[in-house]
Amino acid sequence: DGGITQSPKYLFRKEGQNVTLSCEQNLNHDAMYWYRQDPGQGLRLIYYSQIVNDFQKGDIAEGYSVSREKKESFPLTVTSAQKNPTAFYLCASSLFPNTEAFFGQGTRLTVV
Amino acid sequence: DAKTTQPPSMDCAEGRAANLPCNHSTISGNEYVYWYRQIHSQGPQYIIHGLKNNETNEMASLIITEDRKSSTLILPHATLRDTAVYYCIVRIINQAGTALIFGKGTTLSVSS
Repeated sequence: DGGITQSPKYLFRKEGQNVTLSCEQNLNHDAMYWYRQDPGQGLRLIYYSQIVNDFQKGDIAEGYSVSREKKESFPLTVTSAQKNPTAFYLCASSLFPNTEAFFGQGTRLTVV
Repeated sequence: DAKTTQPPSMDCAEGRAANLPCNHSTISGNEYVYWYRQIHSQGPQYIIHGLKNNETNEMASLIITEDRKSSTLILPHATLRDTAVYYCIVRIINQAGTALIFGKGTTLSVSS
């Protein structure tokens, strides 16, 4: 089946540790995105990538890093510099920028 | 980018039509109107998009006013499973260096 896979669904980490969230798509989409969602809030854009080996910062990139070495993969690292990392993280992809985007089911990260 | 204004919440009786409004008075001629919805703790789901003509698919209808300053998403026969947050977004398709930006949306509650 085609789609976007985020893993794991739930993730727990100790404060001060870096953690990498996985996002894989087999839709042959060029563009991929990472969003963060806090309780009762809308989605906020962290990073996005429109082609392999290229990515741009979104509105809240501080404390996060990404890579786009392969078209199908766009992992997000939450670093220890991110002050409030506990949140729901959503990955998405689209064939072209701003066309219909398909979302993964999200990873809920809890830092204790 | 054009901003959108949506009511924070709406209620609808099961089986009735749900009409969700969105104001986008500063929309430009090449910006499309997109609708997504997010059911609790899941990734957003694409519903429909349009430029200036009314659009219909198996999920919903999109009515865009002639001046394009507002639109309405119509769920013709709402069910309990349509309870979700609905996001209205306006964006230029395939514009380099941009991504879909989500606001807080409208929380639609469908009750029996």
